[in-house]
Amino acid sequence: EAGVVQSPRYKIIEKKQPVAFWCNPISGHNTLYWYLQNLGQGPELLIRYENEEAVDDSQLPKDRFSAERLKGVDSTLKIQPAELGDSAVYLCASSSGAGETQYFGPGTRLLVL
Amino acid sequence: AQSVTQLGSHVSVSEGALVLLRCNYSSSVPPYLFWYVQYPNQGLQLLLKYTTGATLVKGINGFEAEFKKSETSFHLTKPSAHMSDAAEYFCAVGDTGGFKTIFGAGTRLFVKA
Repeated sequence: EAGVVQSPRYKIIEKKQPVAFWCNPISGHNTLYWYLQNLGQGPELLIRYENEEAVDDSQLPKDRFSAERLKGVDSTLKIQPAELGDSAVYLCASSSGAGETQYFGPGTRLLVL
Repeated sequence: AQSVTQLGSHVSVSEGALVLLRCNYSSSVPPYLFWYVQYPNQGLQLLLKYTTGATLVKGINGFEAEFKKSETSFHLTKPSAHMSDAAEYFCAVGDTGGFKTIFGAGTRLFVKA
């Protein structure tokens, strides 16, 4: 069974540029999470989807971040415009439901110059 | 709100020695407690999970953790460290609904030959 797929694995951009990350969850997993992981820290939830609905986006900085999961499968997280402080690893995870094990992708490492 | 504290950002042990990684959570009894491992440039992988029942939880790769309500702790142990155990370890707590997972800051384990 394929795991959670994320692309790109690495991205270097200049500040004020837009950037997008893509995630394909494990087949059949209805719940999808996007996390932000700063260097030396644990992951912090940005947004959680149940199918195509964003049910928890309270920690998503909506002035510059957006996300979508149009068909309830794969998802895209976008930053526009990027700031220096956005340099971090963006992790995607999926699970089959509440309280179930979350399976993480390898992450996208973003560097904003 | 739930919170997690991992004592020691870095732990170093010799190969074959006992591994002990400490984790304390906030005082209200959480329904879910987790330990995850993260190898370099990879996503998080679940080591073990506590929900209810037996307080000693066995996980993969010879790791286990004990839930102690009186101490609000969920420390991770392994009797004999291997070089391959060198990684970052995260303790996490899940909320009542099972949706939101709060991660600790992580402990990096070094294993000396």
